[in-house]
Amino acid sequence: EAQVTQNPRYLITVTGKKLTVTCSQNMNHEYMSWYRQDPGLGLRQIYYSMNVEVTDKGDVPEGYKVSRKEKRNFPLILESPSPNQTSLYFCASNKLLAGGNEQFFGPGTRLTVL
Amino acid sequence: AQSVTQLDSHVSVSEGTPVLLRCNYSSSYSPSLFWYVQHPNKGLQLLLKYTSAATLVKGINGFEAEFKKSETSFHLTKPSAHMSDAAEYFCVVSGDGTSYGKLTFGQGTILTVHP
Repeated sequence: EAQVTQNPRYLITVTGKKLTVTCSQNMNHEYMSWYRQDPGLGLRQIYYSMNVEVTDKGDVPEGYKVSRKEKRNFPLILESPSPNQTSLYFCASNKLLAGGNEQFFGPGTRLTVL
Repeated sequence: AQSVTQLDSHVSVSEGTPVLLRCNYSSSYSPSLFWYVQHPNKGLQLLLKYTSAATLVKGINGFEAEFKKSETSFHLTKPSAHMSDAAEYFCVVSGDGTSYGKLTFGQGTILTVHP
């Protein structure tokens, strides 16, 4: 089954404790992206990657890191989480096409930083 | 730059009545437009997409949307609401001139369906 998976689905942590949220896709997509969803703000892009070893900042990158060492994986790293990073996070992927790029979304990770 | 404005943060309808969720967009390029739906505690599911073919686009579950370039709108409609349509809906624009087409999301519209 074609899918994007994320782990963990739920995470409660404390300020300053490094964490990683994993994302994996099995569709051989070049493009992967991380979003955060906050009430009334829709989804905002954190980072994206156009292929292995190619990453760039989205609209809200502060406090986050990513890496893309393999095509299928795109982990999101919070080196020193803060309460304002409490949010619902989605990973997404799609093929690189000129326009019409329907993205496939993971199930989401709900993060709470105390 | 591209942007999306969903004109209503909440829409409430009765079961069996029509649904209208409004979306205006701004893009310097010929955009692709999408509607995604998110049911409570679920991920995002694509409802329909417009990619410069027919301006009236049909999606899943009886939804459709019409691309109106002159009005820069892409409103989502359904003739008859069902209880299972209760969810949050996002209008999304893609088409900032790059090959990958960065997605920009609207703020979302929460649809409530009353029995």
